[in-house]
Amino acid sequence: SAVISQKPSRDICQRGTSLTIQCQVDSQVTMMFWYRQQPGQSLTLIATANQGSEATYESGFVIDKFPISRPNLTFSTLTVSNMSPEDSSIYLCSVAISGGLYEQYFGPGTRLTVT
Amino acid sequence: KNEVEQSPQNLTAQEGEFITINCSYSVGISALHWLQQHPGGGIVSLFMLSSGKKKHGRLIATINIQEKHSSLHITASHPRDSAVYICSGGSNYKLTFGKGTLLTVNP
Repeated sequence: SAVISQKPSRDICQRGTSLTIQCQVDSQVTMMFWYRQQPGQSLTLIATANQGSEATYESGFVIDKFPISRPNLTFSTLTVSNMSPEDSSIYLCSVAISGGLYEQYFGPGTRLTVT
Repeated sequence: KNEVEQSPQNLTAQEGEFITINCSYSVGISALHWLQQHPGGGIVSLFMLSSGKKKHGRLIATINIQEKHSSLHITASHPRDSAVYICSGGSNYKLTFGKGTLLTVNP
């Protein structure tokens, strides 16, 4: 299993600013993921962040808007850049541990409100 | 049409009732996950299953691969079970999520 922490847990930001969300895992994992959950919606994968390579973004998400760093096997950051009210969401980090089937563990989430 | 459909969307129960949440999927999956999300937003993984049935305390999850259907059951429900329950399926690490079922258990 894996225990994941995220910082901050919540934040209220002004439009046009940027926020960096941190994700820390208690063990080394290869695959980390960033999800967005807009109000009333299901989770949407933003990108996959593997250590040692550039993040892979899903359709509709771009690096300029959501730059990601993955400096080691236990840590990643997601930045939400030039924020607008439409970016108000819960952002979740998760990790996948492979052992035949990929079991995913999720962080507590960061609740972002953009005013 | 979403590739993972859950029913019902909302469910209200009295404490002690037996609860069932259903999930149907049209995507090919290697595993199905049941997740629990509390009002604060954090998600807890309840089960990952690829066949048969799993039980953890008062929670039971079943899956029928041929029918592409899974159920989550809660026995002797309690107000602390109130949360959003999310079904998701995936191949390898990519998951497709249902919209969730909001469960409210009243005392």
